[in-house]
Amino acid sequence: KQEVTQIPAALSVPEGENLVLNCSFTDSAIYNLQWFRQDPGKGLTSLLLIQSSQREQTSGRLNASLDKSSGRSTLYIAASQPGDSATYLCAGMDSSYKLIFGSGTRLLVRP
Amino acid sequence: GAGVSQSPSNKVTEKGKDVELRCDPISGHTALYWYRQSLGQGLEFLIYFQGNSAPDKSGLPSDRFSAERTGGSVSTLTIQRTQQEDSAVYLCASSGPGQGLAGELFFGEGSRLTVL
Repeated sequence: KQEVTQIPAALSVPEGENLVLNCSFTDSAIYNLQWFRQDPGKGLTSLLLIQSSQREQTSGRLNASLDKSSGRSTLYIAASQPGDSATYLCAGMDSSYKLIFGSGTRLLVRP
Repeated sequence: GAGVSQSPSNKVTEKGKDVELRCDPISGHTALYWYRQSLGQGLEFLIYFQGNSAPDKSGLPSDRFSAERTGGSVSTLTIQRTQQEDSAVYLCASSGPGQGLAGELFFGEGSRLTVL
């Protein structure tokens, strides 16, 4: 059974710092891995999708990597801004095409 | 529509009543998912529809929960005889046909259910 873990559970950084959010999964047989952002009281916004054959994806200040052999993905945020404050969720798509989610990392970027 | 649309955005009901939550996916998307997010909890898979295939109902927590998808588009999640533990945000997501079965999921804003 696929399990997804995110570390740290919460993170507070000053504006301008580069930061890394970590995601690990127990079953390397994933079709893809997706990173989302969730603002309080809102739905999920897709940030990046990495297919199983890919190693990384980039969008603006965001870069996500995938290492299936070690069961890890990282989300790198460059030059963080207060508007980046949100909960970040990673999810792996299992062999039944279901996304299995981690519990998220709550990020606070202080002005 | 431009995105996944869910209604109602908020629903307050009394214990024992039935509720229906609606999801209108992105036009042309063949896959539709329902998830539940309880306070302080992660997202819990409920049910998955893909085209005309039989839905994957493996996440439904009890037989009080059911879902339909009519005409391959709009979906309704029904909870019968609601209990207080059903209070949560119910999120719907859809995924397009152009990415195969392992496509990017796009979520709606959710329906917040409160059972008194």
